[in-house]
Amino acid sequence: GAGVSQSPRYKVAKRGQDVALRCDPISGHVSLFWYQQALGQGPEFLTYFQNEAQLDKSGLPSDRFFAERPEGSVSTLKIQRTQQEDSAVYLCASSLEGGFTGELFFGEGSRLTVL
Amino acid sequence: GDSVTQMEGPVTLSEEAFLTINCTYTATGYPSLFWYVQYPGEGLQLLLKATKADDKGSNKGFEATYRKETTSFHLEKGSVQVSDSAVYFCALKGTDAGGTSYGKLTFGQGTILTVHP
Repeated sequence: GAGVSQSPRYKVAKRGQDVALRCDPISGHVSLFWYQQALGQGPEFLTYFQNEAQLDKSGLPSDRFFAERPEGSVSTLKIQRTQQEDSAVYLCASSLEGGFTGELFFGEGSRLTVL
Repeated sequence: GDSVTQMEGPVTLSEEAFLTINCTYTATGYPSLFWYVQYPGEGLQLLLKATKADDKGSNKGFEATYRKETTSFHLEKGSVQVSDSAVYFCALKGTDAGGTSYGKLTFGQGTILTVHP
């Protein structure tokens, strides 16, 4: 596609529910990142994929968070047993190269609200 | 660890005013520095970047100079327009002393800019 696409754009979950957020990166992009952006804050790194390999997951806040990219294109961020502190915008970004050029193309984000 | 601090916001200006948004950083090694912009209803977009000390990044009339001695990367524009109203994020991509680049960006908290006609 023309840009990074994320779905759903908005998600409301009851505390304790599981959620799955999807990211379609720009076609052919090797690198894929997930960020979490709390209200009024800058994005914070969650995890990084190069093709299907998850090379860095140091930013995942707990073992309730899980990300995958099984075929090296679409990625899913799953949050189990959601808590109110998980409420945030989840941003996906992709980059053409496998190296770290720093020029990321961001999606519009998925806004998660946990009640 | 790496960190980025932006000036407190929000910033409100009249059209054609001069803009400065301050950004300072703490990092080991030799980071690359970036400004990203988020227009209403859109995703983050790269505005400009600088990869080494004394480099000046520029785009759309915005400029920022990588100042290693003051660990700063302030964003400036000589004459803002209403269409510049957005949230601006300073960010860095760290490296270690051997020049190996980390994969992730560290962002500041963002500065909301509103420009009135």
